[in-house]
Formats: sequence, C-alpha cells, structure tokens
Amino acid sequence: GAVVSQHPSWVICKSGTSVKIECRSLDFQATTMFWYRQFPKQSLMLMATSNEGSKATYEQGVEKDKFLINHASLTLSTLTVTSAHPEDSSFYICSASPYPGELFFGEGSRLTVL
Amino acid sequence: LAKTTQPISMDSYEGQEVNITCSHNNIATNDYITWYQQFPSQGPRFIIQGYKTKVTNEVASLFIPADRKSSTLSLPRVSLSDTAVYYCLVGAPGGSQGNLIFGKGTKLSVKP
Repeated sequence: GAVVSQHPSWVICKSGTSVKIECRSLDFQATTMFWYRQFPKQSLMLMATSNEGSKATYEQGVEKDKFLINHASLTLSTLTVTSAHPEDSSFYICSASPYPGELFFGEGSRLTVL
Repeated sequence: LAKTTQPISMDSYEGQEVNITCSHNNIATNDYITWYQQFPSQGPRFIIQGYKTKVTNEVASLFIPADRKSSTLSLPRVSLSDTAVYYCLVGAPGGSQGNLIFGKGTKLSVKP
C-alpha cells in the first residue's frame, strides 16, 4: 500500500512557541491531504483539508491563524501550530490517498506543550 | 455525511470470532462502508471496504445486508494483537474522502 509519513513523531515545546509538523506521501503524489487531531481516548477530528497550490480548507471551529497549513508540493504538507499552549497538546495525524476508495494515514505526531 | 453508531467497547478471548456491528441508517446510494483499525499512538490503518453483500480479505470479512443500513465487521480467531479501536466510516470513495467523519469507534479488548 501507499506510504504516508509524518515528522516528528513526538515533540515537546514551551508555551508560546511554534511547532511545525510535516506530512509526506512517499510513493505517490497527493494534491489533497487531510489533518486530524486526536485527544486521549477520543476519536479523530478532522481539522482541515490541505490543497496543493491553494489555501487549506478548515473545519468549523478550527482557527486558521493558529494552525497554519502549507501544501507547497505534491508530496508535502506542513501543519504549524503557532503560539502553542498546553491545550494544543494532542496527537496530530495526516492522511492522503493515491486513488479513490482508501485513505492512508501517517504515524501521527504527538505534541506536548509545557 | 452519514453518521455511524457502534458499540463503545467489546471484550473477547484469543481464538474467538469477533463481530462488530455498525449502524448507518442514513447511508446514501453512492456511499461505501470502510473499516479502520487504530492502535494507541498510531494512525488508523485500512482493514476492509464494501458496498453490499459480503467482502472478504486476508484479515477480515464485511457483511452488509440488502438495506445497507448496517454492516458487520467479522474478525476470525482474534489474537492479543487485535486489541485496538475499530472505526466504521461511511462515504463516497472518490474525491476528497478525507472528510469522512470518524465516530467514537469500538474499543476491542482481546484477553488471553
């Protein structure tokens, strides 16, 4: 199957700093990628749809100025959590698909804001 | 987007067959049913997908009745490593499938 990879797997940062998470499609091109957030013992929540070469589409309630998404190439999307606070601590997951019918997810990135 | 309802949790023992049922009363004509598995601190992994009747692959079977308002994921002879959360998703497989809504999922615990 297709491979989607995230980096870093985990990151710890101080409150007020910004953190960037990368999502790469390793063996296919992805014009669209998706970002999710998952809090402990909860389900995945779609945050935004990342579109190559255009602005991301954010779900209701997700602050676009806080969660900056850039999809500059067909294999890379980045999520930047700006001015992170402890409540932003979560598990962030991306996904993409080389063809209709099946989504491939990254390994996830665990963010801890102190 | 069709909403899904699954049991919150299920317990089983090694070697047993496990059936997890998902209700999706508002499924649309062009919607497919897809099941994903998620281990702690990992991204979800595709298990199986179907439209109607029965689909089987090397890890599971998916049973879908004629009215398609529910589906059942069947895991034959589970092992401890099958302990995970299982999500049932409903949606059209083409286009921007990522906007599928994840429900609460079913936490399966397999005991020795």
